[in-house]
Amino acid sequence: QVTLRESGPALVKPTQTLTLTCTFSGFSLSTYGMSVTWIRQSPGKALEWLARVDWEDDKYYRTSLKTRLTISKDRSKKQVVLIMTNVDPVDTGTYYCARGTSGYVYDYMDVWGKGTTVTVSS
Amino acid sequence: DIQLTQSPSFLSASVGDRVTITCRASQGMSKYLAWYQHKPGTPPKLLIYDASTLQTGVPARFSGRGSGTEFTLTISSLQPEDFATYYCQQLISYPPFGPGTKVDVK
Repeated sequence: QVTLRESGPALVKPTQTLTLTCTFSGFSLSTYGMSVTWIRQSPGKALEWLARVDWEDDKYYRTSLKTRLTISKDRSKKQVVLIMTNVDPVDTGTYYCARGTSGYVYDYMDVWGKGTTVTVSS
Repeated sequence: DIQLTQSPSFLSASVGDRVTITCRASQGMSKYLAWYQHKPGTPPKLLIYDASTLQTGVPARFSGRGSGTEFTLTISSLQPEDFATYYCQQLISYPPFGPGTKVDVK
């Protein structure tokens, strides 16, 4: 059974760095075509694709956030970490990680974590 | 970049209604489009990929059609659990998600 679970702080202050962890099971991020993508939904807004790491350790970022995001994977721990620097209240939202399987950068995502809610406020 | 638009943005419907949502792409993208259902407090759920392939476990009342620049998601008979926001997503370029269509109770 494939599962993903997001974890991280519920509250961060503006200008701080946010670190989110996606812990997954039931698949290997070393297998051809596999990827993990971070997506968020801010209140009242649509889904936003943020970043992706794949089986070859290739990394892709949302253009507008590229300077603030870092994605990495720890294959042994079966985790993918997303770091967002210099957070702002507009970064408030629910953050999801999800699995892709066909190797495309903007892959279909067949299994999602339940999401973790982050509030940016002083 | 390929931009996705969805219509309508908001749709009021009743249980039993046939509902169709349209996703249009600014450039042709063959069949590389997916549909997701998103309910508050739950993660998005993949319904359809490659424009018309039903994801395993998704009820047959959901169907997808289209290719190139125009795609549709149809719910043949709306059920109470189908009230949600629906997003299309492309495989080809950034940004991948459409703006969403909220299906609400009439």
